[in-house]
Amino acid sequence: DAKTTQPPSMDCAEGRAANLPCNHSTISGNEYVYWYRQIHSQGPQYIIHGLKNNETNEMASLIITEDRKSSTLILPHATLRDTAVYYCIVRESGGSYIPTFGRGTSLIVHP
Amino acid sequence: GAVVSQHPSRVICKSGTSVKIECRSLDFQATTMFWYRQFPKQSLMLMATSNEGSKATYEQGVEKDKFLINHASLTLSTLTVTSAHPEDSSFYICSAVRTGDDEQFFGPGTRLTVL
Repeated sequence: DAKTTQPPSMDCAEGRAANLPCNHSTISGNEYVYWYRQIHSQGPQYIIHGLKNNETNEMASLIITEDRKSSTLILPHATLRDTAVYYCIVRESGGSYIPTFGRGTSLIVHP
Repeated sequence: GAVVSQHPSRVICKSGTSVKIECRSLDFQATTMFWYRQFPKQSLMLMATSNEGSKATYEQGVEKDKFLINHASLTLSTLTVTSAHPEDSSFYICSAVRTGDDEQFFGPGTRLTVL
């Protein structure tokens, strides 16, 4: 998997948008950007993924730069329950791959 | 949605005993499952890749004789921590790769405490 770089921690106020950046400058053309989050003492939870275009679902939006070297996960209205570690991963879709996790970003949403 | 379960969710055992952790894909088949270990305030570390019907592939530094993996069916993989010691205390997480679209789904984790 291509290496990703994320800030170790961020915080935001409840109700505000949380924008979590991820750098993946060595991403290859057939690799997708995946985001997961892990709430304390739970397994990782899938959030969203994309290849080139921006994506949105009920949880978040994913903005991928045109050169695909970086992306931003947006939680439009963060709540206290969004406090978690967020992991950005690049991987191929399909085929064999070894999913590895970096240190992620610890997001703290405060009242 | 696809669900992966783990059993038990937490276990406390004495040093020297063996502990088995089950990982099940409840509503899909998974030829491949992964086992991770996570120490406090650290990221998930891949331990091994479990393939149905074949031997597991272990990551460097993971003792295959200590962490026995059996992937006997398309919905079940087990991890047995043999002769557990306090340093094996950790959060163990499995994930299952859905056959067909290769999407990965994670279990809720198992907290192992070795006294």
